[in-house]
Amino acid sequence: DAGITQSPRYKITETGRQVTLMCHQTWSHSYMFWYRQDLGHGLRLIYYSAAADITDKGEVPDGYVVSRSKTENFPLTLESATRSQTSVYFCASSEFQGPDTQYFGPGTRLTVL
Amino acid sequence: GENVEQHPSTLSVQEGDSAVIKCTYSDSASNYFPWYKQELGKRPQLIIDIRSNVGEKKDQRIAVTLNKTAKHFSLHITETQPEDSAVYFCAASRNTGGFKTIFGAGTRLFVKA
Repeated sequence: DAGITQSPRYKITETGRQVTLMCHQTWSHSYMFWYRQDLGHGLRLIYYSAAADITDKGEVPDGYVVSRSKTENFPLTLESATRSQTSVYFCASSEFQGPDTQYFGPGTRLTVL
Repeated sequence: GENVEQHPSTLSVQEGDSAVIKCTYSDSASNYFPWYKQELGKRPQLIIDIRSNVGEKKDQRIAVTLNKTAKHFSLHITETQPEDSAVYFCAASRNTGGFKTIFGAGTRLFVKA
């Protein structure tokens, strides 16, 4: 589990500000994912990446931007934060190309005021 | 769109009893079905998974069954213990025609000592 980390763990920001959540994994996993977790909705996929420089939209991508210039890093940016983006954000990684076990980071609790 | 329905949302059992959580999915292309356990304030962690070419899988006190025809899969926990208390999430994933993974809304399991 220590192989995938997120920062910051807690963040409070204001509506309209740009926020970047960081995710770093040390396993050299090909796949990385960003989820948001809201009460009653479980986990919803925001974006995923199959490899460096390859990203694709998930279920709820609007308002978010991702990049993956290096295999180990997968930052998530909220370009103009809204209150509806208040949530717990989890990054995950997966070793294999097909759908497989995902290893989750510790999460970032984001509050948008 | 595709979805995963999970029932019940809350389950309370006596220590030593069995617990069963059920999920139904709609995407017939789904071929990987993991179950994650999430303790309060922690990250989701895989407890068991099953692929579409298998009908049942068991790991000690935990088992998962899959009925592809009915698009239904279930988690069975026998001889429950207080430390099994957590939120359990099912998911349905596929990577044909584009990667997709949909999580159920979760089941909060209480095991009473």
